[in-house]
Amino acid sequence: AQKVTQAQTEISVVEKEDVTLDCVYETRDTTYYLFWYKQPPSGELVFLIRRNSFDEQNEISGRYSWNFQKSTSSFNFTITASQVVDSAVYFCALRAAAGNKLTFGGGTRVLVKP
Amino acid sequence: GAGVSQSPSNKVTEKGKDVELRCDPISGHTALYWYRQSLGQGLEFLIYFQGNSAPDKSGLPSDRFSAERTGGSVSTLTIQRTQQEDSAVYLCASSWEGAATEAFFGQGTRLTVV
Repeated sequence: AQKVTQAQTEISVVEKEDVTLDCVYETRDTTYYLFWYKQPPSGELVFLIRRNSFDEQNEISGRYSWNFQKSTSSFNFTITASQVVDSAVYFCALRAAAGNKLTFGGGTRVLVKP
Repeated sequence: GAGVSQSPSNKVTEKGKDVELRCDPISGHTALYWYRQSLGQGLEFLIYFQGNSAPDKSGLPSDRFSAERTGGSVSTLTIQRTQQEDSAVYLCASSWEGAATEAFFGQGTRLTVV
């Protein structure tokens, strides 16, 4: 069985602060894929990043960065110098290589105040 | 099309009535998913279609829920004898074949059962 846990339900920061979203996962599969999605107030989920289980290299894309640590089954997401437009719900998700289901965490609501 | 299209965007129905929700995936995508998102909650997997394979129906909450995908493209999610607890946003997503591919989501259908 697969499980994704996002322990933080809501985070509130002031603009320009950094914010880190935690994601911890469980799977028995040796090959799997991890994803982050953003859901702005409009409601449509937007794909942000995919990471393969055999590639632990961290990634940076603009103000976004991701820290994948297989040893702790974590795939954390950091927004640097947050902006009001970053306000959204962020979901972490997991899919096994042999599986169909994309399993989502409960999401973390980020509120960036001006 | 340019993205995943869902219709209607909003649906209000009386308890006990049947409803049909439609999803048009991105052209060429062979995989199609349905998820349900209750207010302020995470995404609950419902069903997955991949090409001509038998669908993964493991997430359907009861036999009142069914889905079909005609011609490997458009999908319809049907809820019979709707109950108030069926009220939620129903999200459809599509992707290329393979666990490594990201899923692209539609804007969802907000279903309200009164």
